[in-house]
Amino acid sequence: DAGVTQSPTHLIKTRGQQVTLRCSPKSGHDTVSWYQQALGQGPQFIFQYYEEEERQRGNFPDRFSGHQFPNYSSELNVNALLLGDSALYLCASSLAAEEAFFGQGTRLTVV
Amino acid sequence: AQSVTQPDIHITVSEGASLELRCNYSYGATPYLFWYVQSPGQGLQLLLKYFSGDTLVQGIKGFEAEFKRSQSSFNLRKPSVHWSDAAEYFCAVGDYGGATNKLIFGTGTLLAVQP
Repeated sequence: DAGVTQSPTHLIKTRGQQVTLRCSPKSGHDTVSWYQQALGQGPQFIFQYYEEEERQRGNFPDRFSGHQFPNYSSELNVNALLLGDSALYLCASSLAAEEAFFGQGTRLTVV
Repeated sequence: AQSVTQPDIHITVSEGASLELRCNYSYGATPYLFWYVQSPGQGLQLLLKYFSGDTLVQGIKGFEAEFKRSQSSFNLRKPSVHWSDAAEYFCAVGDYGGATNKLIFGTGTLLAVQP
């Protein structure tokens, strides 16, 4: 079992650009959540996907959007990147309301 | 609103010494509580969780935590720390309302281990 896999591991983007991050959930999991972890902070919930729909959203602007595919994998898209979007983006998967398993994250640097 | 407080930003202990990391939560109902560990540049690994039942929970790597409802606390303990325990530790409460299971994290405690 490969666990939760995220790609890419690192990414450098310029302000104003758009970025797409990808996540493959742990085998058998149907729910994917995304978190943003700024340097020196705890992870902050962005949103959660279940059955290809956004089920709940945290306090993030509309520039952050996502998608879940029929195979349960997910993408996080961020438009009009700001310097403040630089962070480690973590994907977590779970089966319904059971415990979440995290991927290694994607380190996004906006310059 | 739900929240988690980890009062200690940074802790240093000697190898072999005991460890206690503090966590206080604010949550309206019976909480689901978690401790995660994060090594530099890595994702989060679950150490242990409390859903219900016995208030003393055993986890991986020799860690345990005790849920104290009266104090709204879920402190993490280890009797003898190893150098490999140096990492950042996050306490989280599970917000399972509205059919989601999102996690609300504290700001973390960075653990350094002296030889």
